[in-house]
Amino acid sequence: EVQLTESGGDSVQPGGSLRLSCAASGIIFSSHWMSWLRQAPGKGLEWVGNIKEDGSEKYYVDSVKGRFTISRDNAKNSVYLQINSLRVEDTAMYYCARDMGAFDFWGQGTMVTVSS
Amino acid sequence: DIVMTQTPLSLSVTPGQPASISCKSSQSLLHSDGKTFLSWYLQKPGQSPQLLIFELSSRFSGVPDRFSGSGSETDFTLRISRVEAEDVGVYYCMQSKDLPRTFGQGTKVELK
Repeated sequence: EVQLTESGGDSVQPGGSLRLSCAASGIIFSSHWMSWLRQAPGKGLEWVGNIKEDGSEKYYVDSVKGRFTISRDNAKNSVYLQINSLRVEDTAMYYCARDMGAFDFWGQGTMVTVSS
Repeated sequence: DIVMTQTPLSLSVTPGQPASISCKSSQSLLHSDGKTFLSWYLQKPGQSPQLLIFELSSRFSGVPDRFSGSGSETDFTLRISRVEAEDVGVYYCMQSKDLPRTFGQGTKVELK
């Protein structure tokens, strides 16, 4: 059974930083692109960025470039999202997902709240 | 960026009746390899999104055959042949032909 488990969400002040983690099991993690997505409260889905199997390529949506960094540790079957200079508009549920072009497996999400 | 536009934004359906959702893209999603990179997701209340359809019309593992996807380069449709209670939630289309991946606004489906 495939499982993706996110962690690291928290309530932080604007300008703060967080590191989100996503641990995978049930898949050959090192063989797959992985994506991060987010969903603001009551809003739709937004793709944040993705990372290639070996971590050599990363892509981001324009609104997070320079502030968000995706990384992975294939030895730990984990992908990470470092979020810096947090803004109120970054408040959202953050999901990781296996990226096969389509997102076939999703985690349960971890909530990030940015508020003063 | 490719803009995805869904209609309607909400749908009230009698159980057992069909339903359809339209999705239009601002650019063709037909890749040179012949694949169309359009997928559909359902987010049930309080849950993570789940994949229903990928590459225009392929049902993901375990998805009931009452769900079907169709369309062409920029116009797409998700059909539910007979809506069941478990089908309520918000449906999203998404393109993965180009980066950034982009989603439609979502269509909320509820039962009458």
